[in-house]
Amino acid sequence: GAGVSQSPRYKVAKRGQDVALRCDPISGHVSLFWYQQALGQGPEFLTYFQNEAQLDKSGLPSDRFFAERPEGSVSTLKIQRTQQEDSAVYLCASSLQGGLDAFFGQGTRLTVV
Amino acid sequence: AQKVTQAQTEISVVEKEDVTLDCVYETRDTTYYLFWYKQPPSGELVFLIRRNSFDEQNEISGRYSWNFQKSTSSFNFTITASQVVDSAVYFCALSDLIFGTGTRLQVFP
Repeated sequence: GAGVSQSPRYKVAKRGQDVALRCDPISGHVSLFWYQQALGQGPEFLTYFQNEAQLDKSGLPSDRFFAERPEGSVSTLKIQRTQQEDSAVYLCASSLQGGLDAFFGQGTRLTVV
Repeated sequence: AQKVTQAQTEISVVEKEDVTLDCVYETRDTTYYLFWYKQPPSGELVFLIRRNSFDEQNEISGRYSWNFQKSTSSFNFTITASQVVDSAVYFCALSDLIFGTGTRLQVFP
C-alpha cells in the first residue's frame, strides 16, 4: 500500500484480555517503530526494529508487552493481560532507515474496560 | 539524555493571525535532527520538516517557517496567516523520534 497501515483502528478489550495490534509498513522500509500515545500526551517510544531484528525495546512498559517482526515487514505488538492503563493510541511508523523521513500510520486506539 | 519541551499546551487564535509554536530541546549529541509533525483529528502524524543540527538556516515553506537557534536549543515553528485547517496538535521531535508533549492549536474563523 501507499502508506503505513495499522489494524484494527479501534479495539475494546476487557481487562485481562490479550490483544494483538498489527502494523503493515511501507514496502521496502527497513526501520519500524512502535509508539504509545496516551490522551493529551506526545507519542512515547516503545520499540524499534531494523528488518526483523528488534534493536531497542527499552520503551516497553512491562513484560506484558511484546513485539515481533518475524519476516522484516509486518509487525505485531502484543499486550497480554491488558490493564486500564494500557488504554492509549498505539502508533506505528516506518522509514527507509532510522528516524529520518518516518511515515506514521493512523494508529490503533485501544480502550481497556 | 534527550528531551523535548513544548511549554505551550494549547494556543487559540483567530484566522489570519500569525502564531508561533515553541520547542526547546536537550541533547548531548553533536549531530542531531529536529522534526516537526502535525497531528490532525484523524490521528495520523504528518511530517512537516526535518533539520540537521549543522544547518541553522531558517526555512520557509509557504505559510510555514522555522527558526532554528542552536545557542538557545530552540526550534520554533511559525504559521503565518493561520487558517482553520491548521487546527491540530503539533509535535516537535528530536533525532531518534523523541517527541515533546505537543501543542494543540485551535484556529477559529
